[in-house]
Amino acid sequence: GAGVSQSPSNKVTEKGKDVELRCDPISGHTALYWYRQSLGQGLEFLIYFQGNSAPDKSGLPSDRFSAERTGGSVSTLTIQRTQQEDSAVYLCASSLQGTPNTGELFFGEGSRLTVL
Amino acid sequence: AQSVTQPDIHITVSEGASLELRCNYSYGATPYLFWYVQSPGQGLQLLLKYFSGDTLVQGIKGFEAEFKRSQSSFNLRKPSVHWSDAAEYFCAVFSGGYNKLIFGAGTRLAVHP
Repeated sequence: GAGVSQSPSNKVTEKGKDVELRCDPISGHTALYWYRQSLGQGLEFLIYFQGNSAPDKSGLPSDRFSAERTGGSVSTLTIQRTQQEDSAVYLCASSLQGTPNTGELFFGEGSRLTVL
Repeated sequence: AQSVTQPDIHITVSEGASLELRCNYSYGATPYLFWYVQSPGQGLQLLLKYFSGDTLVQGIKGFEAEFKRSQSSFNLRKPSVHWSDAAEYFCAVFSGGYNKLIFGAGTRLAVHP
């Protein structure tokens, strides 16, 4: 596609429910990143994919968070047993390679998650 | 560990005034540095980047930034601000060993008419 696409754009859920957030990167981009942006906070790194592998998942805040990527393309971020502190905007970005030499990260518009 | 500090959380300027947003980084080697802008309800857009060479880099929308190694800074500037520049601005450093961008907390810019 023309840009990074994320869905849903908004998600309201009840505490304890599971949610899935989807990211469709720019075609041909091998690197994919998930970030979290909480109210008044900067961007917090969650996980990095190169192809289907995740060499860096150091930012996942707990074992309730997981992510996968299939076919070197679409990625899904899953949050199990959601808590109110999970409320945030989840941003996905992709780049042509996992280095900056080929350019910048291209970001989607994010999925806003609200946990009641 | 690599880190980015943006000392100003909020800045307000008058339309037509000059702007400087501060960014300091902590990184052991030559950094790769970026400025992104996030307009309300939109994703992040790259304004400019520094990899090497000329320490004054030009970006989109009339922005520029200067890399100063001695001060570990990469401040963003614009000579004349437009109302449409109201947004949140993020400075970031690429953590080469870990293949990810590390962002500052952001500076929210308000522009008065």
